[in-house]
Amino acid sequence: EVQLVQSGAEVKKPGESLKISCKGSGYSFTSYWIGWVRQMPGKGLEWMGIIYPGDSDTRYSPSFQGQVTISADKSISTAYLQWSSLKASDTAMYYCARQSGGGYYYMDVWGKGTTVTVSS
Amino acid sequence: QSALTQPRSVSGSPGQSVTISCTGTSSDVGGYNYVSWYQQHPGKAPKLMIYDVSKRPSGVPDRFSGSKSGNTASLTISGLQAEDEADYYCCSYAGSSWVFGGGTKLTVL
Repeated sequence: EVQLVQSGAEVKKPGESLKISCKGSGYSFTSYWIGWVRQMPGKGLEWMGIIYPGDSDTRYSPSFQGQVTISADKSISTAYLQWSSLKASDTAMYYCARQSGGGYYYMDVWGKGTTVTVSS
Repeated sequence: QSALTQPRSVSGSPGQSVTISCTGTSSDVGGYNYVSWYQQHPGKAPKLMIYDVSKRPSGVPDRFSGSKSGNTASLTISGLQAEDEADYYCCSYAGSSWVFGGGTKLTVL
């Protein structure tokens, strides 16, 4: 079964760092792009960026460039999303998704999401 | 890069059809045939319903269909069922990035 398993919920304070993960299984992890999507409480979906685990080629949405870092460790089929200094406005659900289709045009497999709460 | 424009809500009775629009620009929806649609039930992850404007993944009922004209894409759900009640999001490729619509809440009356 193709699946993406995300790390558990996090509660952090402003200014702290954080790295959440997304582990792929049931398919060739290095052959598909992995995207990250933010959903703030009660709001819509926002595309953040993608990474190709095969060579770590990474693209960011202009809205998130410089705010987060996307990385991957292909040896353990895991992609990451990290922050160096969290803000309260980073409180959200974060989904990873496999981007497929001629490379990466749609998101066909989604993780269940990681809730990140940033509060003093 | 602005979000694609969707109606905030639509509604229909069981058995009826509803259409959700998704308006962008020539830099996203109008420029590529890479519009996808996602269904999201409360507390759940999104689910792919339509890709490449009008293709359905395996397992998605043929009651769901997609189309595009110019800068506007549309998702039509025919023969509405109670389980179709959910939020729906369009998404378009925009040249090395992707942009989602604001989402539409579908209520089945």
